[in-house]
Amino acid sequence: SQQGEEDPQALSIQEGENATMNCSYKTSINNLQWYRQNSGRGLVHLILIRSNEREKHSGRLRVTLDTSKKSSSLLITASRAADTASYFCATSLTGANSKLTFGKGITLSVRP
Amino acid sequence: EAQVTQNPRYLITVTGKKLTVTCSQNMNHEYMSWYRQDPGLGLRQIYYSMNVEVTDKGDVPEGYKVSRKEKRNFPLILESPSPNQTSLYFCASRSGGAAIRYTFGSGTRLTVV
Repeated sequence: SQQGEEDPQALSIQEGENATMNCSYKTSINNLQWYRQNSGRGLVHLILIRSNEREKHSGRLRVTLDTSKKSSSLLITASRAADTASYFCATSLTGANSKLTFGKGITLSVRP
Repeated sequence: EAQVTQNPRYLITVTGKKLTVTCSQNMNHEYMSWYRQDPGLGLRQIYYSMNVEVTDKGDVPEGYKVSRKEKRNFPLILESPSPNQTSLYFCASRSGGAAIRYTFGSGTRLTVV
């Protein structure tokens, strides 16, 4: 069953602009992660935020988590053409055998 | 280099012909998993393994088998492939316990005709 749902499904911006992507989920989680996928390639882990955290930064990435609204956002600042990719949020429940459940992804296009 | 290696990258096969997609990781990870990715459906988990000889079904296990005889290897077996198993497959691994960041392989694009 799909846990995370990203919004929008597709986003096209100009290089240098900020890109904001949202993710909503349905049940209580242990942590939420964002991954990037370049066309047809494997997923690359970007950032993880735990359920007791509200905001995290990593380079040009900023992720927020609102557990009361069951939502997260990923902000990419000063976007580059190389940021063009699909972005997925993935949630993990508690427990050692917890799996990652992915949303359907957001396609980001950054125009040079 | 720490990585998850899948083989083959591309495979075209015919209905009913058994095939195996291999997955190997060099990070001594306990947990390994297989996902399939289909347009409009995102990534769905097929099977996972918490450690050697411990495997369990994910969300879409029908038509697939796995084994975990060694810690580093987690092959995906399609005993009798069908066209609806045409998909992009990913193997992923992570260490156990609270470490939940996954490392993904580069993917195997399977076409069943």
